[in-house]
Amino acid sequence: GAGVSQSPSNKVTEKGKDVELRCDPISGHTALYWYRQSLGQGLEFLIYFQGNSAPDKSGLPSDRFSAERTGGSVSTLTIQRTQQEDSAVYLCASTPAPTSNVETQYFGPGTRLLVL
Amino acid sequence: QKEVEQNSGPLSVPEGAIASLNCTYSDRGSQSFFWYRQYSGKSPELIMSIYSNGDKEDGRFTAQLNKASQYVSLLIRDSQPSDSATYLCAVNTGGFKTIFGAGTRLFVKA
Repeated sequence: GAGVSQSPSNKVTEKGKDVELRCDPISGHTALYWYRQSLGQGLEFLIYFQGNSAPDKSGLPSDRFSAERTGGSVSTLTIQRTQQEDSAVYLCASTPAPTSNVETQYFGPGTRLLVL
Repeated sequence: QKEVEQNSGPLSVPEGAIASLNCTYSDRGSQSFFWYRQYSGKSPELIMSIYSNGDKEDGRFTAQLNKASQYVSLLIRDSQPSDSATYLCAVNTGGFKTIFGAGTRLFVKA
């Protein structure tokens, strides 16, 4: 079956523009995560969606970042008024319906964002 | 102090040797521990998970967990050049948030 997909794979934008990044999780997975990975760094947690529950937004770095998940499936991460420090790889991951905090995250290929 | 710490490396080992990757974490209540492998330009993939103290073996990989010392490690036996990658330690601190370390770069020399 299909894995997690993300689009676009690469995005170059000018400082101050808004960008939208898309994630299609594995069908049937109820949990979805967004991470940011800067060059040579680990994964920085951004936001977590689980079913119809309120998302955990504790990792969003500023109010320029927002995310939504429509219909419990596709998610969009929006960055408004992009800054050069937003340049990074944005990774999406999904997990099956969690029965505990023991879970495997399946990652998408990422979107490489470059803000000029 | 970072929540999950790893030596950034690079760790260089000859082919056939044992590679030892280490990770410490700060939250004593952590319950689930994961090792992900990330090849350059690719996304992370899970290679090992461990939940209780002791060793867990899977093929050439062994994960070791010591909750008292807040320490988790990954041993790779008979290292191969194809094992060259960045290895990310990840810790679930409760709920559904997983904290990742910055990763250790491993080079296996042929």
